Amino acid sequence: SQQGEEDPQALSIQEGENATMNCSYKTSINNLQWYRQNSGRGLVHLILIRSNEREKHSGRLRVTLDTSKKSSSLLITASRAADTASYFCATDEYGNKLVFGAGTILRVKS
Amino acid sequence: DAGVIQSPRHEVTEMGQEVTLRCKPISGHNSLFWYRQTMMRGLELLIYFNNNVPIDDSGMPEDRFSAKMPNASFSTLKIQPSEPRDSAVYFCASSSRLDTGELFFGEGSRLTVL
Repeated sequence: SQQGEEDPQALSIQEGENATMNCSYKTSINNLQWYRQNSGRGLVHLILIRSNEREKHSGRLRVTLDTSKKSSSLLITASRAADTASYFCATDEYGNKLVFGAGTILRVKS
Repeated sequence: DAGVIQSPRHEVTEMGQEVTLRCKPISGHNSLFWYRQTMMRGLELLIYFNNNVPIDDSGMPEDRFSAKMPNASFSTLKIQPSEPRDSAVYFCASSSRLDTGELFFGEGSRLTVL
């Protein structure tokens, strides 16, 4: 499969807690992106991190990239019920085709 | 900005029928992508266009699938004849940059083939 691997497959936390999702990929990349998908909706871009960057922040989101381990993590701090969604990483490791991982289902309980 | 517009949102059809899914990308975007999402296989890239030209259709599963982009503001994905295993949510996405910039997704077309 071309898809990267994400873990965990599902995560359930209480509102206010932090949520961490991980993504691994197979070959070299130029950038890695994270997307969110609410149930029954299209994907929404969250953040892009380039291969020469190690960490990036956007609001309550923090993304790290370790190219030596071919992995990335997405941290959502102080989670809210509205953060309940599926989260996908996507890489350009196969050229101009953006390939998505299997996703992590996050449930934030209020 | 209206975003990426897909139609129909839901389609139920019988095996053997022709299905046409439509997409209007964001104005000014020159790259368009068709993805298919299923529980079993996740998000799969079917085909993408740059400046209305198909660049890579290696993800199109069979000859039953075809896609066109006659102009910068319209694309179609056609399945003929449809089969039950084609049941999925089909997403169209557009981007202003082919070199894997941010993708803007439509809300998807949920296809059920009976």
